[in-house]
Amino acid sequence: QKEVEQNSGPLSVPEGAIASLNCTYSDRGSQSFFWYRQYSGKSPELIMSIYSNGDKEDGRFTAQLNKASQYVSLLIRDSQPSDSATYLCAVFNNAGNMLTFGGGTRLMVKP
Amino acid sequence: DAGITQSPRYKITETGRQVTLMCHQTWSHSYMFWYRQDLGHGLRLIYYSAAADITDKGEVPDGYVVSRSKTENFPLTLESATRSQTSVYFCASMQDSYGYTFGSGTRLTVV
Repeated sequence: QKEVEQNSGPLSVPEGAIASLNCTYSDRGSQSFFWYRQYSGKSPELIMSIYSNGDKEDGRFTAQLNKASQYVSLLIRDSQPSDSATYLCAVFNNAGNMLTFGGGTRLMVKP
Repeated sequence: DAGITQSPRYKITETGRQVTLMCHQTWSHSYMFWYRQDLGHGLRLIYYSAAADITDKGEVPDGYVVSRSKTENFPLTLESATRSQTSVYFCASMQDSYGYTFGSGTRLTVV
C-alpha cells in the first residue's frame, strides 16, 4: 500500500463549480500536510499547507484535514479553466524532514 | 536572482555517458532533494541532503551519485546513463518544515 494515495483522475468539473480533491495517508504520526499544483511541463508549486484538524481557507482554496480518518482534501471554489492541472498531496515524515508525495490527481475545468 | 535554479533545462545524452545535472539555491536552505518524475510513477526521491557534506539515499538511488560540498549546490551525476534514466528531474530545497520549493526541472533524454 502506498503511503499517500490519490485518485489519479482525471476529475472533470464545469467552470464555476467546486472541485474536490482527496488524499489519504498511512502514517498516523504525520503532522504536516501540503497541496502542490503542477501545470503540464512545469514544476510543482506549493498552494496550501495544513497542520491542524479542520479547515484552512486561502482565497478560493480550502484545505481540510481529518487526522483520525487520515484524510486530507482540497476544495477549489468557483473553478476556473486556469485551475486545470495536476494536484499533488504531500505529507511530512515523522522526522519532519522529508515529504512523501501522492501520485497526483489531474483536474480538468471545462469552460 | 533569489531562488532555486536547475541547469540545463533540457539535455540529450547517449547511453553510457556521464552527465551532471546542476542545482543551485540562494536561500541557504539546509535540506536539498533530487526527484525524478515519470508517467505512472509520480515523484520518486533519488537522494537528499540535510546539510553540506551530508547526503543520503532515497527510494531510487541506483545509477546516481550526489555531492554537496557547499550549502547552495547539490549536483546530481549519472555515472553511466541508461535509457531507463530518461525522465524529468526536479531539485528542491527546504528550510525547517515549511514544505519544499522546487526548481524548474531538467528534462533528460538518454538515447
